[in-house]
Amino acid sequence: DTAVSQTPKYLVTQMGNDKSIKCEQNLGHDTMYWYKQDSKKFLKIMFSYNNKELIINETVPNRFSPKSPDKAHLNLHINSLELGDSAVYFCASSQARGLIQTQYFGPGTRLLVL
Amino acid sequence: DAKTTQPTSMDCAEGRAANLPCNHSTISGNEYVYWYRQIHSQGPQYIIHGLKNNETNEMASLIITEDRKSSTLILPHATLRDTAVYYCIVRGNFNKFYFGSGTKLNVKP
Repeated sequence: DTAVSQTPKYLVTQMGNDKSIKCEQNLGHDTMYWYKQDSKKFLKIMFSYNNKELIINETVPNRFSPKSPDKAHLNLHINSLELGDSAVYFCASSQARGLIQTQYFGPGTRLLVL
Repeated sequence: DAKTTQPTSMDCAEGRAANLPCNHSTISGNEYVYWYRQIHSQGPQYIIHGLKNNETNEMASLIITEDRKSSTLILPHATLRDTAVYYCIVRGNFNKFYFGSGTKLNVKP
């Protein structure tokens, strides 16, 4: 009964490859997010989708393309992987209740680009 | 982009209360303060949130000053499992959460 799940948990790949990370939430939330946590441990938002529509797109290279097939899923596809893409990627979801919109995070996907 | 400032690290003895301060002097009237923690490299875990009244739940208490420019998260009886990085967050536009560097809480036996 995991609330926010991500697959895979670990991903090791070569530079130049294309890879996808999947996220699913069973909380019935209407908004989902992708965050990146780099080696210095700073956690930064990348994207946000509300009801399958993109609402936040921070200054992320266009090699990163999020896709939301439905409200419960937000996948992240990365083209032409670079060394600097190595990081932990966290998915989160939330549901607005007035001004309150608590985000719940997944366990993370650890990506290592060699 | 973080709207909050926190001490880099704090120590606390096991069983004692841990008081973690946060400054958010530019907070606007309808912005909530959220607290999360990250244990090792796990996903951030929600702890508590508040607007202007003090709040308490099964994990912690949140004390917000009357001018709302600062707050304190209180873990009443810290355990070794509470060792983590604690983030104080003020929500931005479109529900953006800006995570600063947080406070590394070390609970010692």
